[in-house]
Amino acid sequence: QSVLTQPPSASGTPGQRVTISCSGSSSNIGSNTINWYQQLPGTAPRLLIYSNNQRPSGVPDRFSGSKSGTSASLAISGLQSEDEADYYCAAWDDRLNGWVFGGGTKLTVL
Amino acid sequence: QVQLVESGGGVVQPGGSLRLSCTASGFTFSNSGLHWVRQAPGKGLEWVAFIRYDGSDKYYAESVKGRFTISRDNSKNTLYLQMNSLRAEDTAVYYCANNFGVVDFHYWGQGTLVTVSS
Repeated sequence: QSVLTQPPSASGTPGQRVTISCSGSSSNIGSNTINWYQQLPGTAPRLLIYSNNQRPSGVPDRFSGSKSGTSASLAISGLQSEDEADYYCAAWDDRLNGWVFGGGTKLTVL
Repeated sequence: QVQLVESGGGVVQPGGSLRLSCTASGFTFSNSGLHWVRQAPGKGLEWVAFIRYDGSDKYYAESVKGRFTISRDNSKNTLYLQMNSLRAEDTAVYYCANNFGVVDFHYWGQGTLVTVSS
């Protein structure tokens, strides 16, 4: 049972917009910034979004992040087949004194 | 470019020990906090440990506290994870990742597989 809750799966067709949620509490998302990571099959995770809504260089602007209260969301617009991957949220937790990850969401492009 | 290369994984019996290494290049190692993150087969990511840039502070997940020790050698640009009293549930791919500026887990290595089995 992960401290940050994500839906186990999500899906969409090419060109669609998909959102993935990440729900936490006042000790993590509610008081700290959140990052999102993409993990393509058989590869290491890659930073997608940091500080709630910032994109590192090289990440397409189709990917965006937002945060409100104790929840956060990752949105992917103009869905492409290469977006099929696992997506994870992560944040520092003040109560646990450590970092926590969501359980991950497997995105399928139909 | 930033490179993080893990090594030291392998098969070990329950109760045994193993030391992982992560050799870094492409950034100022001595200025960067570093993490170990693991992923059990078919499962999600689990943060394991963190060490500050100068080794002054270390943080551990409850699941490994008292068994694992994170350390670093800034003169060798190398991060370590000493794993003792290993259990079957420690079986996972272990990744090292760095903090870059204010960004946690910015760059990741390719991972090294640890299998705990008799």
